[in-house]
Amino acid sequence: DAGITQSPRHKVTETGTPVTLRCHQTENHRYMYWYRQDPGHGLRLIHYSYGVKDTDKGEVSDGYSVSRSKTEDFLLTLESATSSQTSVYFCAISLRDRGLSEQYFGPGTRLTVT
Amino acid sequence: KNEVEQSPQNLTAQEGEFITINCSYSVGISALHWLQQHPGGGIVSLFMLSSGKKKHGRLIATINIQEKHSSLHITASHPRDSAVYICAVSPPGADGLTFGKGTHLIIQP
Repeated sequence: DAGITQSPRHKVTETGTPVTLRCHQTENHRYMYWYRQDPGHGLRLIHYSYGVKDTDKGEVSDGYSVSRSKTEDFLLTLESATSSQTSVYFCAISLRDRGLSEQYFGPGTRLTVT
Repeated sequence: KNEVEQSPQNLTAQEGEFITINCSYSVGISALHWLQQHPGGGIVSLFMLSSGKKKHGRLIATINIQEKHSSLHITASHPRDSAVYICAVSPPGADGLTFGKGTHLIIQP
């Protein structure tokens, strides 16, 4: 247990509604990541953060925004949810950047957009 | 873009067998990661390596940088090893990981 929680754990929402997922860590790690996991695609990077207010886009960032106002919290927002954003979302943290340390994953959030 | 290919996609074996899962990638990397995901979703980091070999209990991971290839071995496999094993790489200068699609392993008693 690397002190990572995600909320909510499950959510069903309607197309067009905004949704915010929260990742909270107690480890004070600088680097945080949001991934989505889909059958046939594996895990893919959405956004990442390398410090408070420092974020950047990943491979599949369209339709998503993030914010990090405190070291311990990294928020992922779907401004207007679409059915293609139905997925399982994982947050991860690491001590170092560039993949040069192990990543610790949260338990995941299963999001269904109807 | 770094492509990560794993083989086999699915593997069913009997308890006690020696298991090998392979991972190949297309461009240079800073490090390679092996992860385990049990049914129900939790993802656990098994190894991070940039050269040579690492061992933890019955698990062994090797990497050949020149051939852009890594293997994960499980000795004396057990039904509790049943899980999806995921290979991921970190390209130099990039943040986040690029993942393979995973190998679904079932160990039958």
